[in-house]
Amino acid sequence: SQQGEEDPQALSIQEGENATMNCSYKTSINNLQWYRQNSGRGLVHLILIRSNEREKHSGRLRVTLDTSKKSSSLLITASRAADTASYFCATAPMNTGFQKLVFGTGTRLLVSP
Amino acid sequence: SQTIHQWPATLVQPVGSPLSLECTVEGTSNPNLYWYRQAAGRGLQLLFYSVGIGQISSEVPQNLSASRPQDRQFILSSKKLLLSDSGFYLCAWSVRGGSYNSPLHFGNGTRLTVT
Repeated sequence: SQQGEEDPQALSIQEGENATMNCSYKTSINNLQWYRQNSGRGLVHLILIRSNEREKHSGRLRVTLDTSKKSSSLLITASRAADTASYFCATAPMNTGFQKLVFGTGTRLLVSP
Repeated sequence: SQTIHQWPATLVQPVGSPLSLECTVEGTSNPNLYWYRQAAGRGLQLLFYSVGIGQISSEVPQNLSASRPQDRQFILSSKKLLLSDSGFYLCAWSVRGGSYNSPLHFGNGTRLTVT
């Protein structure tokens, strides 16, 4: 089953603008991860935030986690055309094997030059 | 550095034909291995995972099976393909004995079309 749901499903912005994607999930988690997928390719791990963390940064990426609301957001600052891709959140639910990462349905981001 | 290879990249097979997709990992030992399927416009569904040679866990009942004949080799098979088996199949690995905080590393996928 898919625990994560991303919002919006699609996002179109201009280069230089910021892009914000949201993820909601249903059960308690150990961590939440964000992945990127270029069209027709495999997924690439971007960032992991643990359940006891509230915010994490990596380059132009900023992730927040609100466990009380069971939600996370991914902010990409100063976007570039090369950021065009689909972005997925994935959760590691508690009380399941750590192998069982559950992916959301993704946000398709289009960054126009 | 670690690399993961998946082949073929694309495959068109008739209904009722067999399937064999292969995945190999280099540069790491004793990885956890995974097969995911991605339907068009959807997220990823975990099909199988393996923590060691010959150890396969299936997540959903289906027309597919998996095998791990060697430490860094993971194979996805079917005896008779169905139309519903069409999709994008992704192999992934993570650190063996890792924790919940071990990220997945994906191959580039196989686009399977069953006609």
